Amino acid sequence: EPEVTQTPSHQVTQMGQEVILRCVPISNHLYFYWYRQILGQKVEFLVSFYNNEISEKSEIFDDQFSVERPDGSNFTLKIRSTKLEDSAMYFCASSEGPREAYGYTFGSGTRLTVV
Amino acid sequence: TQLLEQSPQFLSIQEGENLTVYCNSSSVFSSLQWYRQEPGEGPVLLVTVVTGGEVKKLKRLTFQFGDARKDSSLHITAAQTGDTGLYLCAGAPNNAGNMLTFGGGTRLMVKP
Repeated sequence: EPEVTQTPSHQVTQMGQEVILRCVPISNHLYFYWYRQILGQKVEFLVSFYNNEISEKSEIFDDQFSVERPDGSNFTLKIRSTKLEDSAMYFCASSEGPREAYGYTFGSGTRLTVV
Repeated sequence: TQLLEQSPQFLSIQEGENLTVYCNSSSVFSSLQWYRQEPGEGPVLLVTVVTGGEVKKLKRLTFQFGDARKDSSLHITAAQTGDTGLYLCAGAPNNAGNMLTFGGGTRLMVKP
């Protein structure tokens, strides 16, 4: 079964450093998402991406965050200057089409620890 | 902000018992999805319900979307130890957006 692949699985970084989280969505999917889950809390929406641009973003997704699809396969989330409160599990997801007609496939996540 | 509240938060039952998990909101959602999440893994989609009053069955799991599209339930018949896990509901807003709002989850433990 097709998978969404995320790398690395774990990332430890110093506060203030930049991190890039990488995702390879399912090849025929057109919609891409990043969500995060702080330990013990709900899964939260960060951003959605379609047709090479951001289609929606949440209040969490401030100027410190950016997303990019640098080639035909990768989808990345960059955090420019990490803060302690950015420590969380970050999930990439993709879907073939928009909204409820199409299910979301999530990756296994990257656990980011900011120290 | 549209919120989804799940209940109960924790549920521990014996194998063979039936159970129901609830997902409630004061807001209308265009659809609701149910996911199962294992420790250290991403959520895995179980089902999407779209129409108010819709019922979907997946083997021993029955999902229902409320008539007003504000709530949903997951009923498991004759639970098995393999059903142990975290069950999440997630709603798509009643607008043109694609984001999902997740509930806090119900952690189910089925004891042998």
